[in-house]
Amino acid sequence: EVQLLESGGGLVQPGGSLRLSCVASGFTFSNYAMTWVRQAPGKGLEWVSTLTGGGGTTYYTDSVKGRFTISRDNSKNTVFLQMNSLRDEDTAVYYCAKFLASTSGSIFDYWGQGTLVTVSS
Amino acid sequence: EVVLTQSPATLSLSPGERATLSCRASQSVGTSLAWYQQRPGQAPRLLIYDAFNRATGIPARFSGSGSGTDFTLTISSLDPEDFAVYYCQQRNNWPVTFGQGTRLEIK
Repeated sequence: EVQLLESGGGLVQPGGSLRLSCVASGFTFSNYAMTWVRQAPGKGLEWVSTLTGGGGTTYYTDSVKGRFTISRDNSKNTVFLQMNSLRDEDTAVYYCAKFLASTSGSIFDYWGQGTLVTVSS
Repeated sequence: EVVLTQSPATLSLSPGERATLSCRASQSVGTSLAWYQQRPGQAPRLLIYDAFNRATGIPARFSGSGSGTDFTLTISSLDPEDFAVYYCQQRNNWPVTFGQGTRLEIK
């Protein structure tokens, strides 16, 4: 059974940093690209970042470029999102999600339960 | 960026009725479109990918159609558990984008 478990969310002041983690199980982690999607309170879904299975290629939405860094440790089946210079508008539930297949492109077939990041003074 | 516009914003129907949800893209995305369901307090769930392929475990009452810029998610006979928010998502162009959602509520 595929499981994704996020952690690391919390309350942080504007300009601060947080590191989110997502531990995966139930599939061969290194074969799959992983992604982060966020959802501001009461709003829709917004794609944030994607990292290929080998970790060689990253993609970011424009609003987080230069502030967020996605990475992975395939030996620990974990994907990370380092978030720096946080802004009020980064407040959201952050979900990690798995790609449907190694060659599927951005189709997200399993999602974690999400971790809430609140940026506020 | 490809903008996805979903309509209607809210759809009020009764169990057993047929639901038709629309997603229109600002430029062609081929068939690289997916649909997700999100129930309150839960993570999104993949329903349909590549416009018309049902994801594993998704009931046959869910079907997708369309290509290019116009797509439809149809639920043939609504079950009480189907009342939720539905999002479309395209992967044809970076960045990946989602529609704003359609809320399906019980009439």
